[in-house]
Amino acid sequence: EAGVAQSPRYKIIEKRQSVAFWCNPISGHATLYWYQQILGQGPKLLIQFQNNGVVDDSQLPKDRFSAERLKGVDSTLKIQPAKLEDSAVYLCASSLQDDQPQHFGDGTRLSIL
Amino acid sequence: GQQLNQSPQSMFIQEGEDVSMNCTSSSIFNTWLWYKQDPGEGPVLLIALYKAGELTSNGRLTAQFGITRKDSFLNISASIPSDVGIYFCAGRGGSNYKLTFGKGTLLTVNP
Repeated sequence: EAGVAQSPRYKIIEKRQSVAFWCNPISGHATLYWYQQILGQGPKLLIQFQNNGVVDDSQLPKDRFSAERLKGVDSTLKIQPAKLEDSAVYLCASSLQDDQPQHFGDGTRLSIL
Repeated sequence: GQQLNQSPQSMFIQEGEDVSMNCTSSSIFNTWLWYKQDPGEGPVLLIALYKAGELTSNGRLTAQFGITRKDSFLNISASIPSDVGIYFCAGRGGSNYKLTFGKGTLLTVNP
């Protein structure tokens, strides 16, 4: 079974620029998550989708972050404009349903100059 | 919000030694998960616990869901160099299924 795919693996941008990340979950997984992992900390949930609907985006900085999962499969996370404190690894995870264990991709490492 | 305290922050041990790490929560959890993260990779699920008092093993790994539902521990027996990495606990409780992660335990194994 193929795992969660994420791209790009690395991204370096200057502050105030925009950036987008892409995630392809495990086939058949209804629930998709985006996490932010700052160096030295555990992942922090940004947004959770159930199929193509948002379940929880309470910790998403909505003034600059947006995410979508239009067809209930792939998802994109966008940051516009980026700030220095957005430097982190952005992890995508998926699960069969929201009460099942989550499987993570290898993440996108974002560096803001 | 829910908070997890994971300890120790880091451990440096000799190959063959046993290791123990734990997590405590300020609130009751219904599920405890233990993940391992290697450099440049995403967390990989090691053990999932769903019931208070549950003790589950996965090879040399053993984890327990505390009776109070506010804590969990992970033991690794006879450590080997490939056990090196960051171990995270994660808990789920309340009316939603949101996972809260600890800050991780960095394990270094000296061959």
